[in-house]
Amino acid sequence: QSALTQPASVSGSPGQSITISCTGTSSDVGVYNYVSWYQQHPGKAPKLMISDVSDRPSGVSNRFSGSKSGNTASLTISGLQAEDEADYYCSSYTSSSTWVFGGGTKLTVL
Amino acid sequence: QVQLVQSGAEVKKPGASVKVSCKASGYTFTDYYIHWVRQAPGQGLEWMGWINTKHGGTKYAQEFQDRVTMTRDTSISTAYMELSRLRSDDTALYYCARLRVCSTTSCFYWFDPWGQGTLVTVSS
Repeated sequence: QSALTQPASVSGSPGQSITISCTGTSSDVGVYNYVSWYQQHPGKAPKLMISDVSDRPSGVSNRFSGSKSGNTASLTISGLQAEDEADYYCSSYTSSSTWVFGGGTKLTVL
Repeated sequence: QVQLVQSGAEVKKPGASVKVSCKASGYTFTDYYIHWVRQAPGQGLEWMGWINTKHGGTKYAQEFQDRVTMTRDTSISTAYMELSRLRSDDTALYYCARLRVCSTTSCFYWFDPWGQGTLVTVSS
């Protein structure tokens, strides 16, 4: 199972919005609404930010939102803040009953 | 609160095996699967497999099929991941993460929370 494709890096200024894409195939992202997103700060464990494409767990800021179109899921962060600077990973359930992650995207807040 | 606490860092020689533990607290252990995910230094996340903590059933990623064994001890709410025939490229942070078993009406596909990670270093 190949990793989902994410841009290596994105950047934005405080207050701006950014979007991170996550491209899979018709065996994972394209066929299931089971995409989740994780935030990882340096030296820390990943933290769930979005489940089932667009559901936001309790406690996660409403500045984080998710969507999907075809084989590509997206994470949007609005009103960028310095604390949002981190690595972001997407994950999807697959038709092989396994899970696959994206390669990760480093978000820099300028 | 819900917590997954993993065992400490390990240093192993190539060809050896390592067993990492993941102790759960704050919830009913058998209501959730435990998945294992690893992260090589400076790299992304790689899914390794899961164990059904209630029945003991497992499913492994093809890449680890012949080298990984996941087990659990329900009496102490602890899951284990053993990786054998270690190579230098197995050097990584190994995470456990919780995933809820299906209810009568819904299934769940996200990991929350994660353990703190266990660094396994493979070096001669």
